[in-house]
Amino acid sequence: DAGVIQSPRHEVTEMGQEVTLRCKPISGHNSLFWYRQTMMRGLELLIYFNNNVPIDDSGMPEDRFSAKMPNASFSTLKIQPSEPRDSAVYFCASSLVVGGDNNEQFFGPGTRLTVL
Amino acid sequence: QKEVEQNSGPLSVPEGAIASLNCTYSDRGSQSFFWYRQYSGKSPELIMFIYSNGDKEDGRFTAQLNKASQYVSLLIRDSQPSDSATYLCAVNGYGTYKYIFGTGTRLKVLA
Repeated sequence: DAGVIQSPRHEVTEMGQEVTLRCKPISGHNSLFWYRQTMMRGLELLIYFNNNVPIDDSGMPEDRFSAKMPNASFSTLKIQPSEPRDSAVYFCASSLVVGGDNNEQFFGPGTRLTVL
Repeated sequence: QKEVEQNSGPLSVPEGAIASLNCTYSDRGSQSFFWYRQYSGKSPELIMFIYSNGDKEDGRFTAQLNKASQYVSLLIRDSQPSDSATYLCAVNGYGTYKYIFGTGTRLKVLA
């Protein structure tokens, strides 16, 4: 299995531009999570989906952020317009949740976003 | 109060010693607890999970959970320089898929 795939791995853009991050979860997993990691705030959950449906988007910082999951194998996180304070590493993770207590999340390699 | 708290470190231990990493959480309804390791510039990877009070051992790693005191810890025996990384504690609440992560403890194992 290729694991969780994210693209691009690095993104440098200018303030005000639209940024789209992409994620392909592990095949067969039914839950997908978008995180943001910074030195100051650590790893923060932005939004998660279960069976392609957004369940909790309370971590999305503001309306400039949006996420979609049109099918079980693809999700996007969009920032429009981007700002310098959005600079961070964005991780996508997926898991198979069928009840029980162990729902390990597998993380992708991350996208390092720099907004100038 | 943060939901999941960890000492940021760095925690420095000599090679071969026991490293003890601690984590406290605020939600008494939390059900599952995870320790992830993250090397610099890499993504988090799961080391252990625990959901019952007591100890759980896996090789050189032991997770300890005390729900009454709301803390979970990770012991690393015979620490190696390759264990140098940031260790993230994550807590999973009842009836939810989401984790709350601590900010992590940076461990340095000195050769």
